[in-house]
Amino acid sequence: DVKVTQSSRYLVKRTGEKVFLECVQDMDHENMFWYRQDPGLGLRLIYFSYDVKMKEKGDIPEGYSVSREKKERFSLILESASTNQTSMYLCASSFLGVYNEQFFGPGTRLTVL
Amino acid sequence: GIQVEQSPPDLILQEGANSTLRCNFSDSVNNLQWFHQNPWGQLINLFYIPSGTKQNGRLSATTVATERYSLLYISSSQTTDSGVYFCAGNEKLTFGTGTRLTIIP
Repeated sequence: DVKVTQSSRYLVKRTGEKVFLECVQDMDHENMFWYRQDPGLGLRLIYFSYDVKMKEKGDIPEGYSVSREKKERFSLILESASTNQTSMYLCASSFLGVYNEQFFGPGTRLTVL
Repeated sequence: GIQVEQSPPDLILQEGANSTLRCNFSDSVNNLQWFHQNPWGQLINLFYIPSGTKQNGRLSATTVATERYSLLYISSSQTTDSGVYFCAGNEKLTFGTGTRLTIIP
């Protein structure tokens, strides 16, 4: 079974703090993704990576950065957290290629006060 | 990018009823997936169905790629089927806004 894990289920941070969200997958997937989910807006892609040290911006990258130093791990970084980054963050992974089913982690519910 | 429209947005049914959820795409898609989001927020993979028909127990799905839509069928609904159902397509998944299904005992 594919397993995608995220470092925290719930996280509370203060405005201006640097926040790290970690995601690990155990299926040797090349692709990894970060999405955020907000009521009324659905799920939106923040960043994705198709290889170690490679990254591409998604639809809403502003205020975020990412790091992929190892194939199995993809980190989302909020350089200076703001209240409008309070959201549910979901990580996913998939194989590279045209047909690539994505598998999701359990999500991290981040609150920025 | 493509637009994904799901209908209906909300559905309330008695236990035992059948339901059909629809997903329309504004352009051709690949990697079409259906998910169920559980009460804790995790997205559970239901079907990976770029085309054709698949069945898994009480659930089945059909994608007609040439007409840019997909259907999810749930038969003999149970209360545990409650939750939000999403379809999504393409390599970097574009999601619909979901159908919230509530099954009443």
